[in-house]
Amino acid sequence: EVQLLESGGGLVQPGGSLRLSCAASGFTFSSYAMSWVRQAPGKGLEWVSAISGSGGSTYYADSVKGRFTISRDNSKNTLYLQMNSLRAEDTAVYYCAKDSNGLYDSSGYSDYWGQGTLVTVSS
Amino acid sequence: SYVLTQPPSVSVAPGKTARITCGGNNIGSKSVHWYQQKPGQAPVLVIYYDSDRPSGIPERFSGSNSGNTATLTISRVEAGDEADYYCQVWDSSSDHPRVFGGGTKLTVL
Repeated sequence: EVQLLESGGGLVQPGGSLRLSCAASGFTFSSYAMSWVRQAPGKGLEWVSAISGSGGSTYYADSVKGRFTISRDNSKNTLYLQMNSLRAEDTAVYYCAKDSNGLYDSSGYSDYWGQGTLVTVSS
Repeated sequence: SYVLTQPPSVSVAPGKTARITCGGNNIGSKSVHWYQQKPGQAPVLVIYYDSDRPSGIPERFSGSNSGNTATLTISRVEAGDEADYYCQVWDSSSDHPRVFGGGTKLTVL
């Protein structure tokens, strides 16, 4: 059974940093691309970042480029999102999602999602 | 960037058929995926590649895609189908290529 468990969310002041983690189990982690998708309170889904199965390719939405860094440790079956220079508009539930492919490309989709972790950016 | 347009809400009586649309420029040339999100829960994939169903998703859920509109159809709607539904495509010309529609709230009357 595929399981994705996010952690690391919380309350942070504007300009601060947080690191989210996503512990994966139930599949060969290194064989699949992974994504972070966020959902602001009462709003829709917004893709944030993705990484290929090998970790060699990374992708970011313009809204987070230069502030967020996605990474993975395939030996620990864990996905990360380092978030710096946080803004109020980054407040959201952050979901990690498993891709259907090893490469993050047009042929893939998110076939499993974690339960999410809430990030609140406020003074 | 590529825009996917969904109606904010759709209402249907139990046992009837619900149709949720997702509009986009020549969306028929793209693969469309659909996600269901119940309140307080994570999204769940219900349709991929326009019309394929993951294991565990009831046959009542089906999809189609042609021209400028993709459609998620839910037959014999049940109270448990009440949720937000999001369509998603890949568009390499967009800021972030994995584009989501704004979501549709399905209400079962």
